[in-house]
Amino acid sequence: DTAVSQTPKYLVTQMGNDKSIKCEQNLGHDTMYWYKQDSKKFLKIMFSYNNKELIINETVPNRFSPKSPDKAHLNLHINSLELGDSAVYFCASSEWEAADTQYFGPGTRLTVL
Amino acid sequence: DAKTTQPNSMESNEEEPVHLPCNHSTISGTDYIHWYRQLPSQGPEYVIHGLTSNVNNRMASLAIAEDRKSSTLILHRATLRDAAVYYCILKGSGSEKLVFGKGTKLTVNP
Repeated sequence: DTAVSQTPKYLVTQMGNDKSIKCEQNLGHDTMYWYKQDSKKFLKIMFSYNNKELIINETVPNRFSPKSPDKAHLNLHINSLELGDSAVYFCASSEWEAADTQYFGPGTRLTVL
Repeated sequence: DAKTTQPNSMESNEEEPVHLPCNHSTISGTDYIHWYRQLPSQGPEYVIHGLTSNVNNRMASLAIAEDRKSSTLILHRATLRDAAVYYCILKGSGSEKLVFGKGTKLTVNP
């Protein structure tokens, strides 16, 4: 069983479109995260949710809106996509907010044309 | 967030030990030293972490200098599957954030 799963794996879309990436974890963890890895391979945290509540928002544009329907899911919705949004987006989870280990999903490669 | 410094790349031969260094001279007393790795086209994967004492697990060993200003991740017998980017990260006790640097790209030669 995949611990942290993301869909889709690849997403190609035009500038200006709105798209969503879904993330699910079956580990029973309380905390979930979104990270962005850009073309230079830098991996940066975007958001963190604990028990469906936002705890970290790293100055991400308002076009990005995370939504957590329950603590096993953290979806990322992106409005008005821009070229610079092209990146690999990773979802992760941890047992609690400051737990030692984060478990990452396989990533979603977003390409904005 | 305290910063870490790692070599950009290292090479090793299969079946040989690999020592991946990390400098963190501005580490604070409550910072834990974490190592993650990212295999090609995959998400990061936890490897090991420690505070002051050396640590061992099934994947690797972590040797921490007495002054905690540096540490070394040790892969005892490198395999081709260990080829990855290895990240050394300082994480404060009670902090949720992992702050990734550039990491060290490890190449394992057959």
